Amino acid sequence: GEDVEQSLFLSVREGDSSVINCTYTDSSSTYLYWYKQEPGAGLQLLTYIFSNMDMKQDQRLTVLLNKKDKHLSLRIADTQTGDSAIYFCAESIRSTASKLTFGTGTRLQVTL
Amino acid sequence: EPEVTQTPSHQVTQMGQEVILRCVPISNHLYFYWYRQILGQKVEFLVSFYNNEISEKSEIFDDQFSVERPDGSNFTLKIRSTKLEDSAMYFCASRASTESSYNEQFFGPGTRLTVL
Repeated sequence: GEDVEQSLFLSVREGDSSVINCTYTDSSSTYLYWYKQEPGAGLQLLTYIFSNMDMKQDQRLTVLLNKKDKHLSLRIADTQTGDSAIYFCAESIRSTASKLTFGTGTRLQVTL
Repeated sequence: EPEVTQTPSHQVTQMGQEVILRCVPISNHLYFYWYRQILGQKVEFLVSFYNNEISEKSEIFDDQFSVERPDGSNFTLKIRSTKLEDSAMYFCASRASTESSYNEQFFGPGTRLTVL
């Protein structure tokens, strides 16, 4: 079955880079996602990567995918206080339902 | 920008009572989902709904749960007889279609259900 794991907490200084890691078990995953959750808000899609890609860059965000190790990472360059949130890794298999399987979430704390 | 809305934001109920959680998905979306997150645990898939029927459900989604799209705009999750372990944040999501190779699930802000 599917399982997605993340570390629970990361603290970085403002201006530094943050790297949030995720491992997944389902080799048939089609898409892998990073969602952000701010306090009191829903889950906001930040970026996604298709399973046949190794890297995707979108402004300050870089996603790296190592399919052999089933490892996904999200790098946030020049981390700002507004980046403080919980970040969820998720996977889906392309199907009619395309349900998402989420990790536990990593709480990113940005300090001054 | 269109968004998914959920009501109420917080629901407190007594064990054994029925609750209905409401969601208004984005208007041209065709796929609808419920997820839940027990405090400190993962966000878990409950059910997906398409073309007025359930397309997939998880083991969590037992006979106590039901979903409905009563009027073409609302999407509801009913829990018939709530248990303490149903206390969680419930998220609704909607998605446009499967025509494109990728399509995003848009999430609502969640309803926090507390069962006493």
